Amino acid sequence: GQQVMQIPQYQHVQEGEDFTTYCNSSTTLSNIQWYKQRPGGHPVFLIQLVKSGEVKKQKRLTFQFGEAKKNSSLHITATQTTDVGTYFCAGLKTSGTYKYIFGTGTRLKVLA
Amino acid sequence: EPEVTQTPSHQVTQMGQEVILRCVPISNHLYFYWYRQILGQKVEFLVSFYNNEISEKSEIFDDQFSVERPDGSNFTLKIRSTKLEDSAMYFCASSHADREFQPQHFGDGTRLSIL
Repeated sequence: GQQVMQIPQYQHVQEGEDFTTYCNSSTTLSNIQWYKQRPGGHPVFLIQLVKSGEVKKQKRLTFQFGEAKKNSSLHITATQTTDVGTYFCAGLKTSGTYKYIFGTGTRLKVLA
Repeated sequence: EPEVTQTPSHQVTQMGQEVILRCVPISNHLYFYWYRQILGQKVEFLVSFYNNEISEKSEIFDDQFSVERPDGSNFTLKIRSTKLEDSAMYFCASSHADREFQPQHFGDGTRLSIL
């Protein structure tokens, strides 16, 4: 079945350092969403990417969708302690379906 | 801002018992989802629901699981005969009309503990 892997599984960074998580799908995706889950919380939507090669920015966060629409990345510049949490990508394999496959997640810890 | 609400926040049930988890999606949303997350692991898709019927379901969503929208506001997940491995956090989510082009809004979840 379809798999969505993320690397790294864990990342500890010093506050102010950059952070990147990579999301790789075994199949081509229709679109991809990114979510952040704080410890003890629920996933919160960050952004959606639809077009091949698309790049979107939200303040210190930069999201990219690969040309082949099989991978994506989230880059955080100058991390802050508020960035702590687990970042999940979620891919939709086929347009017109409702089955999002979540990635394995990257847990980010930021050391002050 | 409207929210997805889930009750109860924590459910403790004996193995073999039936359990119903309840969700109230955001009022103008038309697509509803159930996910589960075993502690420390990824979010796993269970089922999606649109227009009063199941749209997609995963391999996890077997005959022991069912969903219902009984009254136009609630969206429930029933597990008929719970197993130890059903222990997890269950999240309900809803999204607006345009299917995959809308974000999913998640509730706070129900922590299900099977004894």
